[in-house]
Amino acid sequence: QSALTQPPSASGSPGQSVTISCTGTSSDVGGYNYVSWYQQHPGKAPKLMIYEVSKRPSGVPDRFSGSKSGNTASLTVSGLQAEDEADYYCSSYAGSNNNVFGTGTKVTVL
Amino acid sequence: QVQLQESGPGLVKPSQTLSLTCTVSGGSISSGGYYWSWIRQHPGKGLEWIGYIYYSGSTYYNPSLKSRVTISVDTSKNQFSLKLSSVTAADTAVYYCASSVVVWAFDIWGQGTMVTVSS
Repeated sequence: QSALTQPPSASGSPGQSVTISCTGTSSDVGGYNYVSWYQQHPGKAPKLMIYEVSKRPSGVPDRFSGSKSGNTASLTVSGLQAEDEADYYCSSYAGSNNNVFGTGTKVTVL
Repeated sequence: QVQLQESGPGLVKPSQTLSLTCTVSGGSISSGGYYWSWIRQHPGKGLEWIGYIYYSGSTYYNPSLKSRVTISVDTSKNQFSLKLSSVTAADTAVYYCASSVVVWAFDIWGQGTMVTVSS
């Protein structure tokens, strides 16, 4: 099972929006609505930001939103803030009780 | 609120078995509906799901690691454990334990523990 493909980096100025893509196949992203997104600051554990494609856990700002079209899922961060600078990873169910993560995207707030 | 804490040796010799424990606090590991997972992150790299054990005792593993992995639960100690056999340098990573109520949404994570495989 190959890792999901994410762009290595993305950036935006404070207040702007940034969208990160996560491309898989019909066997993972395209086949199930079990896409999650995680934020990871340096030296810290990942934090769940989005699950089941577009649902936000309690406490996650509504500036974070998720969507999916075909084999590609997306995470959009609106109204970028300095604290949003982090690595972001997508994750998807891949069938047969297996899970695959994305390659990761480093978001820089300019 | 459930909290997780990993523990175990930080250094393991090649060909030996890596053993880690995750202690659950703030809740019972035998409570219904929780998935208890292990996830690792190679230095400077992305995340890799290792496997999970459901509260019922069912286990599921990443096919790429399945032959070497065992995840188990000790309800008396409110802990779950990871054993990874025949380790090589490629198993050097930060190992996280995580839990989820919604399957495949890892919402609670331990702080992670670095394990180095070296002689």
